[in-house]
Amino acid sequence: EIVLTQSPGTLSLSPGERATLSCRASQSISGNYLAWYQQKPGQAPRLLIYGASSRATAIPDRFSASGSGTDFTLTISRLEPEDFAVYYCQQYGSSPRTFGQGTKVEIK
Amino acid sequence: EVQLVQSGAEVKKPGESLKISCKGSGYSFASYWIGWGRRVPGKGLEWMGVIYPGDSDTRYNPSFQGQVTISADKSISTAYLQWSSLKAADSATYYCARQRAYSSSFPDYWGQGTLVTVSS
Repeated sequence: EIVLTQSPGTLSLSPGERATLSCRASQSISGNYLAWYQQKPGQAPRLLIYGASSRATAIPDRFSASGSGTDFTLTISRLEPEDFAVYYCQQYGSSPRTFGQGTKVEIK
Repeated sequence: EVQLVQSGAEVKKPGESLKISCKGSGYSFASYWIGWGRRVPGKGLEWMGVIYPGDSDTRYNPSFQGQVTISADKSISTAYLQWSSLKAADSATYYCARQRAYSSSFPDYWGQGTLVTVSS
């Protein structure tokens, strides 16, 4: 199965700063079928990005993503207070679907 | 509005059985796959399997085959995850999510999670 490794584990930033999150796959992801999710405590995960770079419905354009093959990046251009959360990547190109362990974006 | 609402937290003893639920609303429940995932603290979410409520076609991650049973009742727009004999290692938060197709499809809406604690 494809192992996804996210880095860093924790990102300590201030509102207004830029966040760059990484997701690296143990093998190439078919079709660049990679998604990013945001999760806040006690809430359901929220889809941000699919197909490695396409924003989901109603996701602000401060969220962008890129990458292909084994290396993918999620960027939040200017952190808003509501963006402090845990972010997960997931590949859905091969079975079983697998998820990264998450990057926590916390307020510095 | 699409919603997936999961049943509440459970505390069980090893060896007991359990069935948790995921009720969908705001869309055609029978036309989307429902998947189940497990998250243990400190680890990534593990995808356990999926079901198509329209015809109950069910696919399991081989790691979970035989360990759990996934089912659905389209008449009440509800999917289920059940165990016949729980172990302490089953303690985790379980999430349901819908996806449009079986392959090359991502979960777009998720339930809020059900915390299952198995302890003697």
